[in-house]
Amino acid sequence: GAVVSQHPSRVICKSGTSVKIECRSLDFQATTMFWYRQFPKQSLMLMATSNEGSKATYEQGVEKDKFLINHASLTLSTLTVTSAHPEDSSFYICSASRQGIGYGYTFGSGTRLTVV
Amino acid sequence: GESVGLHLPTLSVQEGDNSIINCAYSNSASDYFIWYKQESGKGPQFIIDIRSNMDKRQGQRVTVLLNKTVKHLSLQIAATQPGDSAVYFCASGGANDYKLSFGAGTTVTVRA
Repeated sequence: GAVVSQHPSRVICKSGTSVKIECRSLDFQATTMFWYRQFPKQSLMLMATSNEGSKATYEQGVEKDKFLINHASLTLSTLTVTSAHPEDSSFYICSASRQGIGYGYTFGSGTRLTVV
Repeated sequence: GESVGLHLPTLSVQEGDNSIINCAYSNSASDYFIWYKQESGKGPQFIIDIRSNMDKRQGQRVTVLLNKTVKHLSLQIAATQPGDSAVYFCASGGANDYKLSFGAGTTVTVRA
């Protein structure tokens, strides 16, 4: 079955530093990956759509210079939270769509980011 | 924008009973609907999906019902088990893009 690996699962960083989160599709090619943020006891909020070989498309209200997304290959997308602040502490989740299957999403296991 | 929401934030159910989780959506152009299960600290796990040209779909112990007239869908879980305790989200997608909109989530707690 389709497997998406997300790394790290947990990270604690100091305020002002940057953190990179990786999302890999292990056994399929993903032309599109999505990045979500989830605050405690809340739903998933789409941050951006990441397309292989092109610039990411950000949702309204999401700062593209703060949340840098790179989708350099069909199996890897990265989200970098730059100059992190405590309010960026959240659960970040990626999902990947199989090439040619529009809604065939598989979610990663999420990354718990804590900024201190 | 699209809005997907759930009717109840929590559901407590006796082990062995059936569970029904409801969801309302607002975008009549939505043509694809998915139910996800999320356990604490994990990513969402696919349960079942349904397209707008159907009104019912069954899986293993789960059934999704879609009522396009009132823009409502539900997830029925038969013989609920302790392992079913989790947060359940509905999500919907439009016809022209593959972005999903998630509902608020219902926390299901199974009583032994």
